[in-house]
Amino acid sequence: NAGVTQTPKFQVLKTGQSMTLQCAQDMNHNSMYWYRQDPGMGLRLIYYSASEGTTDKGEVPNGYNVSRLNKREFSLRLESAAPSQTSVYFCASSVGNRAHEQYFGPGTRLTVT
Amino acid sequence: AQSVTQLGSHVSVSEGALVLLRCNYSSSVPPYLFWYVQYPNQGLQLLLKYTTGATLVKGINGFEAEFKKSETSFHLTKPSAHMSDAAEYFCAVSDRRAGANSKLTFGKGITLSVRP
Repeated sequence: NAGVTQTPKFQVLKTGQSMTLQCAQDMNHNSMYWYRQDPGMGLRLIYYSASEGTTDKGEVPNGYNVSRLNKREFSLRLESAAPSQTSVYFCASSVGNRAHEQYFGPGTRLTVT
Repeated sequence: AQSVTQLGSHVSVSEGALVLLRCNYSSSVPPYLFWYVQYPNQGLQLLLKYTTGATLVKGINGFEAEFKKSETSFHLTKPSAHMSDAAEYFCAVSDRRAGANSKLTFGKGITLSVRP
């Protein structure tokens, strides 16, 4: 089991460029999540998908879009990157039941110049 | 709405000393509570969680936490710190009634340093 995998690990973008962060899980989990982590801010939820075919906004969705491609994969797209989107992005997944133990990927460190 | 407060951003202890990381939560409904740990340049991993039943919860690596409803607290403790405990620790809360749509709300995190 690879768990939750994310690609790429590092990325540098110029302002206005677009890119897609990829996330996949092999644990047959129903729910998947995208967070951003900024110093002193903890983790903030960007978008989540409670099940295949559904997505919902989290705390900080502006400037992002997501796609739940299938049960395994959940991608995050930045259409026009801004310096304020410089952050570490984490994908997570969970079974989706009441206990909500989430499993996290290793993260993508994104810098927007 | 739920929230988590982790007072202070940094705690430093000596190796072998007690570790105490504080977490207070706010929730309008009975919560699920979690502690996650993040080692440098890694993702988060679950240390322990409180769902129902015993209010003293034991987790991995000798950590434990006690749910105190009257104090709305879920403080993390370890009797004797080890150098390998140096990491960032996050407390989180979720709404037990929301089912599959429940989400975690994280605190801002506390960095634990362990001095030799």
